[in-house]
Amino acid sequence: DIQMTQSPSSLSASVGDRVTITCRASQSISSYLNWYQQKPGKAPKLLIYAASSLQSGVPSRFSGSGSGTDFTLTISSLQPEDFATYYCQQSYSIEFTFGPGTKVDIK
Amino acid sequence: QVQLVQSGAEVKKPGASVKVSCKASGYTFTSYGISWVRQAPGQGLEWMGWISAYNGNTNYAQKLQGRVTMTTDTSTSTAYMELRSLRSDDTAVYYCARHFLMVRGVSLFDPWGQGTLVTVSS
Repeated sequence: DIQMTQSPSSLSASVGDRVTITCRASQSISSYLNWYQQKPGKAPKLLIYAASSLQSGVPSRFSGSGSGTDFTLTISSLQPEDFATYYCQQSYSIEFTFGPGTKVDIK
Repeated sequence: QVQLVQSGAEVKKPGASVKVSCKASGYTFTSYGISWVRQAPGQGLEWMGWISAYNGNTNYAQKLQGRVTMTTDTSTSTAYMELRSLRSDDTAVYYCARHFLMVRGVSLFDPWGQGTLVTVSS
């Protein structure tokens, strides 16, 4: 299996802050990397696919970059509704795997 | 709008089976697959497997091989996930998600159902 790691596991930030979350794959996955947002008690929501493509309807303050093994999700100006847990997920291997998540909460 | 609606919460005893349904609407069911993902309490997301709604082909996570079966009923646009020989560590919220296979092999899950809590307890 391809193992996914994320850092940090949690972070505290203020409204308006720029936030960056890192995801690393145990082997090269080209650009087969998606990002999801999950709020407590809710289903995950797709934000970014293929490493850098913004899903329709997702605010442009979200962006993704990277290829190979190292990827980042950036929120350019954190909004109150962005406090949530973020997961990366690789789709390079048919045994799809998720990262352990990064919880973003209010400072 | 595209929507996936799942069946209600279940409580099962160890060793029993559970079957969760996922009814799709708002799109051509047979043009996409359905993936199932579970989340144990306070934990992360675990992909369980995928089924093509077009031809019924499946691919299951290795750790669940032999215990899980995914099926679809195209007449009702409904997908099903059955998990057998339940253990306490199968307690989780089970999600279905539309599995979109894009060009160049990019796969993504969007949207997701609301989740079904399955509790395994004696």
